[in-house]
Amino acid sequence: DAGITQSPRHKVTETGTPVTLRCHQTENHRYMYWYRQDPGHGLRLIHYSYGVKDTDKGEVSDGYSVSRSKTEDFLLTLESATSSQTSVYFCAISESLTRGSAFFGQGTRLTVV
Amino acid sequence: DAKTTQPPSMDCAEGRAANLPCNHSTISGNEYVYWYRQIHSQGPQYIIHGLKNNETNEMASLIITEDRKSSTLILPHATLRDTAVYYCIVRVDGSSNTGKLIFGQGTTLQVKP
Repeated sequence: DAGITQSPRHKVTETGTPVTLRCHQTENHRYMYWYRQDPGHGLRLIHYSYGVKDTDKGEVSDGYSVSRSKTEDFLLTLESATSSQTSVYFCAISESLTRGSAFFGQGTRLTVV
Repeated sequence: DAKTTQPPSMDCAEGRAANLPCNHSTISGNEYVYWYRQIHSQGPQYIIHGLKNNETNEMASLIITEDRKSSTLILPHATLRDTAVYYCIVRVDGSSNTGKLIFGQGTTLQVKP
């Protein structure tokens, strides 16, 4: 399995509090992604990164920010969590566009109460 | 990136071949077809990808039509463990710096004993 770790794996937080999810990789892959998955919606891209300090928005980026200060870490921050952000969050990494395949972490289950 | 269309669900008898179709009628010449699957609540898993030619690996075969407007993922001898959601994605490789990776709704394959 690719070396990709998400932390925490589970979190319960209150509405209005900031939350940061971490994705850590040991593969030195260039591309990193954050997705959320909700029943009936499949996987939706939040933000992605194509290099250190190079990030871009995905399909559902409102309410989320990201940072990538080094290759191995991609942080997803909910500045002020809302109940609509209760979801399972997946991180993915990809070596290069010519290699193609992406590897996913095990997911973080976030509950906002 | 081109969009894909997949049937929402399919059934397959255990031991028989599972043929999962995908329509990508707007695919461009430099876009690859990728297949991933997601078992229960795990992170998606890469299966196979191709550009023009048919591809086979230890997990599956990928058949792409000559006009590249559709493809079929074949699991030659489906087992109960192949029950999952299967995603077909088209993605530009090599010519884009951003590497955006968008998932659709996928096909839920139910393998029955």
